[in-house]
Amino acid sequence: DIQMTQSPSSVSASVGDRVTITCRASQGISSWLAWYQQKPGKAPKLLIYAASSLQSGVPSRFSGSGSGTDFTLTISSLQPEDFATYYCQQANSFPPTFGQGTKLEIK
Amino acid sequence: EVQLVESGGGVVQPGGSLRLSCAASGFTFDDYAMHWVRQAPGKGLEWVSLISGDGGSTYYADSVKGRFTISRDNSKNSLYLQMNSLRTEDTALYYCAKDIYEQQLALTMTAYDYWGQGTLVTVSS
Repeated sequence: DIQMTQSPSSVSASVGDRVTITCRASQGISSWLAWYQQKPGKAPKLLIYAASSLQSGVPSRFSGSGSGTDFTLTISSLQPEDFATYYCQQANSFPPTFGQGTKLEIK
Repeated sequence: EVQLVESGGGVVQPGGSLRLSCAASGFTFDDYAMHWVRQAPGKGLEWVSLISGDGGSTYYADSVKGRFTISRDNSKNSLYLQMNSLRTEDTALYYCAKDIYEQQLALTMTAYDYWGQGTLVTVSS
């Protein structure tokens, strides 16, 4: 199975900050990576699929990039509702696997 | 509006069985593959199982293969997960999730665009 490693595991930031979360795959996955946001007690929400495609209804301050083994999720200007845990997931190889998560906390 | 509503979770002893259900609405159910994904308390996400839109193809994570069975009833817009020989490590919140693409089956190159609220399974003596 492909291992997905996110960094950092947690990050503190302030409203208005630009934040980048990284996801690295143990082998190349082309551009088949998705990003999900999960708030406490809630189901995950799809933000980005195919590495850089913004899911319908997701604010444009979220963006994704990368291909091969290295990917990033960027939030251009943090809003209060963005504090959550973020997961990457590879969909290039079966079975699908997730990163361990990055918790984004308020500074 | 797409809705997925899971039910059937509960407390069960090791070795026991449980059947989860997921009621779907707001989309043409049999046009989409469906998944089960679980999350142990305080942990990350783990894909569990996949079923094609017509129910003819099923896939499982190695951790549940031979113990869990995924199925669907397209006439009832419902997805199921029969869990047998449960272990303490199966304790988790179980989510059903919809495949993003309108296609019968995709093992790869996909994502999950709608998720239910989850149903909690606790395996404990």
